[in-house]
Amino acid sequence: QSVLTQPPSVSGAPGQRVTISCTGSSSNIGAGYDVHWYQQLPGTAPKLLIYGHTNRPSGVPDRFSGSKSGTSASLAITGLQAEDEADYYCQSYDSSLSGWVFGGGTKLTVL
Amino acid sequence: QVQLQQSGPGLVKPSQTLALTCAISGDSVSSNSVAWNWIRQSPSRGLEWLGRTYYRSKWYNEYAVSVKGRITINPDTSKNQFSLQLNSVTPEDTAVYYCSRARDGYVDFWGQGTLVTVSS
Repeated sequence: QSVLTQPPSVSGAPGQRVTISCTGSSSNIGAGYDVHWYQQLPGTAPKLLIYGHTNRPSGVPDRFSGSKSGTSASLAITGLQAEDEADYYCQSYDSSLSGWVFGGGTKLTVL
Repeated sequence: QVQLQQSGPGLVKPSQTLALTCAISGDSVSSNSVAWNWIRQSPSRGLEWLGRTYYRSKWYNEYAVSVKGRITINPDTSKNQFSLQLNSVTPEDTAVYYCSRARDGYVDFWGQGTLVTVSS
């Protein structure tokens, strides 16, 4: 059971928009700690997608965006492409655990 | 460009010690603006942060509650690397282990990952 809750799977057709939620609590996202998002392709290490709720590292397309509200955060992907098919993870800091916590991951399927 | 190269055995017997090393190129383990982390991933536990070491005028270590008491992360400034030791392993510790660099609370560079299986 992960501290941050994500839907196990989402799907969308090419060109569509999908969102992935990440629900936390008052000891992590709700406490104001930053949320970061990673993309993981099969057999590879996760790759940073969004940091500090909304910021994209250089090289990440602006089709990816992040937001935060209360004890939750969301990752939005617009203009879905086949290459976006991957697992996505959110990450934050938890003051009760005094360490980083991750979501359980969401598998994105491009139909 | 930062590169992290992991090394260590892929098979460890139950009750023994898991030991991995992460060699850093393109940065210094003594950098005072980043932290060096170990994270593992398994189907049953997902991504799990294990701990980190970092230098801010002196060395600091922080460990996850789930492995505290069994884990040690050490920097090696002479070789510009850092290591992970996890004692008294059980099959539950079977996972892919990643070393990583973090700044401002997120990972920007990852090692290639090492599958460690705990089995007799």
